[in-house]
Amino acid sequence: SQTIHQWPATLVQPVGSPLSLECTVEGTSNPNLYWYRQAAGRGLQLLFYSVGIGQISSEVPQNLSASRPQDRQFILSSKKLLLSDSGFYLCAWSVLGQGRVNTGELFFGEGSRLTVL
Amino acid sequence: GQQVMQIPQYQHVQEGEDFTTYCNSSTTLSNIQWYKQRPGGHPVFLIQLVKSGEVKKQKRLTFQFGEAKKNSSLHITATQTTDVGTYFCAGRRRNTPLVFGKGTRLSVIA
Repeated sequence: SQTIHQWPATLVQPVGSPLSLECTVEGTSNPNLYWYRQAAGRGLQLLFYSVGIGQISSEVPQNLSASRPQDRQFILSSKKLLLSDSGFYLCAWSVLGQGRVNTGELFFGEGSRLTVL
Repeated sequence: GQQVMQIPQYQHVQEGEDFTTYCNSSTTLSNIQWYKQRPGGHPVFLIQLVKSGEVKKQKRLTFQFGEAKKNSSLHITATQTTDVGTYFCAGRRRNTPLVFGKGTRLSVIA
């Protein structure tokens, strides 16, 4: 069966520090991968998605970046965190279907809660 | 860009009462999905609707997709405390990523 792992679960970082969140998927090949952010009491904002290794699409311009060094690994990074980067970050995957971005449901990781002070 | 609006933002109900959340898109959708997020948890997929006018049921939950494929609703009959959480709709146009609504947070008072 497929599983998704995301870490760290929580972190508190000072403004201006770097960030690295990692997500890995097991039990499937060539998934679509996504990073979402959920600010307190808000909806889910799509940050990045990837349909293959090295292929990253950015939905929102900001000081974050994403990389997909391996088929089932997705990394969210920042060189210098801002206060506004605080939030709940969710990695998700879906089945890739014939080149289409998303053919079905999203499977979310447990999330990483980031507080920037 | 594509927008998905969801109302109400919050809903407090007495246990046993019904609950409905509504979702509207600015554009015609190829499909719509619904997710539930328990407090402190991550969103979990509930259902996907694809056809115009489609109605699907899961026990006490009824999901509808509008004829024009621009709106949807989730209705819960006789709410229980286990229904507490935030319900999100998410719509997608052909070959584009899902766009989520801001969700409806449901509180159930026992």
